[in-house]
Amino acid sequence: ETGVTQSPTHLIKTRGQQVTLRCSSQSGHNTVSWYQQALGQGPQFIFQYYREEENGRGNFPPRFSGLQFPNYSSELNVNALELDDSALYLCASSTRQGNTEAFFGQGTRLTVV
Amino acid sequence: AQSVTQLGSHVSVSEGALVLLRCNYSSSVPPYLFWYVQYPNQGLQLLLKYTSAATLVKGINGFEAEFKKSETSFHLTKPSAHMSDAAEYFCAVTGGSSASKIIFGSGTRLSIRP
Repeated sequence: ETGVTQSPTHLIKTRGQQVTLRCSSQSGHNTVSWYQQALGQGPQFIFQYYREEENGRGNFPPRFSGLQFPNYSSELNVNALELDDSALYLCASSTRQGNTEAFFGQGTRLTVV
Repeated sequence: AQSVTQLGSHVSVSEGALVLLRCNYSSSVPPYLFWYVQYPNQGLQLLLKYTSAATLVKGINGFEAEFKKSETSFHLTKPSAHMSDAAEYFCAVTGGSSASKIIFGSGTRLSIRP
């Protein structure tokens, strides 16, 4: 078990709604990254948080936003949901910015209808 | 910019046969390379990683990979396939200016024939 937990495991939302996904990082890890994995594809980097600050962002629109809390847990927020946002959202935690020890959670399956 | 290319979206082998999953990378700086495995409806599990130490890297479940700089390759092998190896495998790279993110390949689905 990696120690990275995500909630909820599954979620169904309607187009145009907003959603918040949560991630608890592994004990001792101060960096959290979020990835989107569409069906049949590899994960795509959304952004990373290090010590509560955004530290790198992928090619995702501003309606994808995040937070990291003092206990290093994190949230991913998506506004104005679109059908193409349907995907598995993965959270990864690590001890430093370099990702050499990144551990992934089980993911949240988001379906937008 | 960094990238990885996985050759073959689907590989099928017989149980007990050699497993070979191919990955080529592109990087302008010394890369860190990974292989992850994903079982249906689950997250990613790290199989092994290369971080500029030994070029032959041994991982979990009997898998290993060899970093070949001259060929820009990091192929994953296992001498004898087991039914439980059936899964999706992702090659990934990070390092240098991309150190804040891991860049994944498109994945290779491994099927095992009885």
